[in-house]
Amino acid sequence: DGGITQSPKYLFRKEGQNVTLSCEQNLNHDAMYWYRQDPGQGLRLIYYSQIVNDFQKGDIAEGYSVSREKKESFPLTVTSAQKNPTAFYLCASGKVTGNYGYTFGSGTRLTVV
Amino acid sequence: AQSVTQPDIHITVSEGASLELRCNYSYGATPYLFWYVQSPGQGLQLLLKYFSGDTLVQGIKGFEAEFKRSQSSFNLRKPSVHWSDAAEYFCAVVQGGGNKLTFGTGTQLKVEL
Repeated sequence: DGGITQSPKYLFRKEGQNVTLSCEQNLNHDAMYWYRQDPGQGLRLIYYSQIVNDFQKGDIAEGYSVSREKKESFPLTVTSAQKNPTAFYLCASGKVTGNYGYTFGSGTRLTVV
Repeated sequence: AQSVTQPDIHITVSEGASLELRCNYSYGATPYLFWYVQSPGQGLQLLLKYFSGDTLVQGIKGFEAEFKRSQSSFNLRKPSVHWSDAAEYFCAVVQGGGNKLTFGTGTQLKVEL
């Protein structure tokens, strides 16, 4: 079955360390997105990519980095520059035009300890 | 920029009662609107979407939504709520290029048995 997979489901990081969250999709979607979710704030866009080897900053990109070397993969790195990284991170994929609406992964909960 | 407002943070209904979750958007042209549902610790699932045409949209799990341009609203409804509908609900609108979704802050639904 086609879908989008995020791993790991839970992740613990020490302050000052970088950590990478994985996102893989086999839906043949061109576009992929990373959102951060905090209680009471909804989902906020971190980065998105519409094509391989290209990506754009979203609303809260500071302290994060991404890469898009393959169509299927869009990993997110939370760097030590991110001041408040503890959150629930959601990856999504979708078509660039036409059938709007995303397919979401099941999320990664990152906790800084 | 387009935005979405969900004025109700929490709503509690009795099982079997009707439900209406409010969503207001700000956008000059006809927006592309969505409703998603999220169970605790999970990703988001698309309930329904509106692009154009019939203003009453049917979705999965017995949900429907009505687009009202005059009120800038896209409220989600269900005639009879089931205990399994307890979740968080997000309204979203497509913003700009790249098929980016802007989400509301969500409404947490509690269902009393």
